[in-house]
Amino acid sequence: GESVGLHLPTLSVQEGDNSIINCAYSNSASDYFIWYKQESGKGPQFIIDIRSNMDKRQGQRVTVLLNKTVKHLSLQIAATQPGDSAVYFCAETRNNAGNMLTFGGGTRLMVKP
Amino acid sequence: DVKVTQSSRYLVKRTGEKVFLECVQDMDHENMFWYRQDPGLGLRLIYFSYDVKMKEKGDIPEGYSVSREKKERFSLILESASTNQTSMYLCASSLLYRGLSGNTIYFGEGSWLTVV
Repeated sequence: GESVGLHLPTLSVQEGDNSIINCAYSNSASDYFIWYKQESGKGPQFIIDIRSNMDKRQGQRVTVLLNKTVKHLSLQIAATQPGDSAVYFCAETRNNAGNMLTFGGGTRLMVKP
Repeated sequence: DVKVTQSSRYLVKRTGEKVFLECVQDMDHENMFWYRQDPGLGLRLIYFSYDVKMKEKGDIPEGYSVSREKKERFSLILESASTNQTSMYLCASSLLYRGLSGNTIYFGEGSWLTVV
């Protein structure tokens, strides 16, 4: 079946550096992608989303890049701060899937002061 | 601001007990979901509902049931709790159809259930 996965389970970065979290998906019919941030003991929080008709979308300090050719998604966080330490999930859905999300396993981002 | 509220954050129950986890959303969303989250296994869908009194099984429905009597409320029921149901349970909601701008699914803060 389809799956969404993350390349690295843990990413450690220095405060102030940029972070890049990667995600691969296998279903070429996926047309909508979301990144979530989950802090310890809390539920996932929406960060940013992107539709398949775009290859880049920017938010506040975050950018999502989508490469449909290789079915790859990335989340870039600029000037990483200690408050960015969390687990990050990518998720995908398809328009004909009843708005059901398929989640990746998560990447833990650790920010070193 | 969007809000999905799970009434119980931490529960400890005994094996064999009946457990109710309640979730309320204030966004008038049609879809509501129950996931469980376990280390190394990520988020797994237990049940979802796209309308009042409607329910659909997710990937791991065994040992669980749900109730959707009102649009804003979605309950997860463990008829007879077992130790392998110790987990974090997450409720979520979304619109039924995705609009032009996408369709985010919003999560509650989670309910930590320990079955002893």
